[in-house]
Amino acid sequence: ETGVTQTPRHLVMGMTNKKSLKCEQHLGHNAMYWYKQSAKKPLELMFVYNFKEQTENNSVPSRFSPECPNSSHLFLHLHTLQPEDSALYLCASSSAGTSNRETQYFGPGTRLLVL
Amino acid sequence: AQSVSQHNHHVILSEAASLELGCNYSYGGTVNLFWYVQYPGQHLQLLLKYFSGDPLVKGIKGFEAEFIKSKFSFNLRKPSVQWSDTAEYFCAVRALGNTDKLIFGTGTRLQVFP
Repeated sequence: ETGVTQTPRHLVMGMTNKKSLKCEQHLGHNAMYWYKQSAKKPLELMFVYNFKEQTENNSVPSRFSPECPNSSHLFLHLHTLQPEDSALYLCASSSAGTSNRETQYFGPGTRLLVL
Repeated sequence: AQSVSQHNHHVILSEAASLELGCNYSYGGTVNLFWYVQYPGQHLQLLLKYFSGDPLVKGIKGFEAEFIKSKFSFNLRKPSVQWSDTAEYFCAVRALGNTDKLIFGTGTRLQVFP
């Protein structure tokens, strides 16, 4: 059981397609995150949103475009991806900035395959 | 730059064996420390965390971890593993007053055989 949900769970897309990943958190948190998880590599932080404002863009290519309409929802819009973008994309949320005891909670991820 | 090292990439144990997974980080200041577990096909779940106080932290499912500041380590332990502990384990560190980002290790894949 998780308070962070992600859809779709699996996605196959061509390099010319446009698709979006969705994340929703039911934990009352104010911060949301996108991570990329590739085999044999540490989780890579992509974007951070705090109270709907983007506070971190970790040098992510512009073919990834995040959107955070409110503190509960986070999207990742994908266009003209490359095969090396195939990975598990994880969403997380937390109560950031409230103390030095912030804990991130993760969704199940979207397994993306770019052909 | 801040980094987290998990030197054991793949660990294979029999049920009832004791487990210790290493985690070392590079940052001399105050840290928050976490262990997450990812069971096959499931999401990352928090096992335990350390913010301050007693350096021996107990988590869910019989896991514990010890923060040794002088060694920059936060090793995960379990006295007797079960087949259901088969999963990937990730150590993560937040360097307070530095980037405040959560930095993850590469993970350790644990396989437990009956």
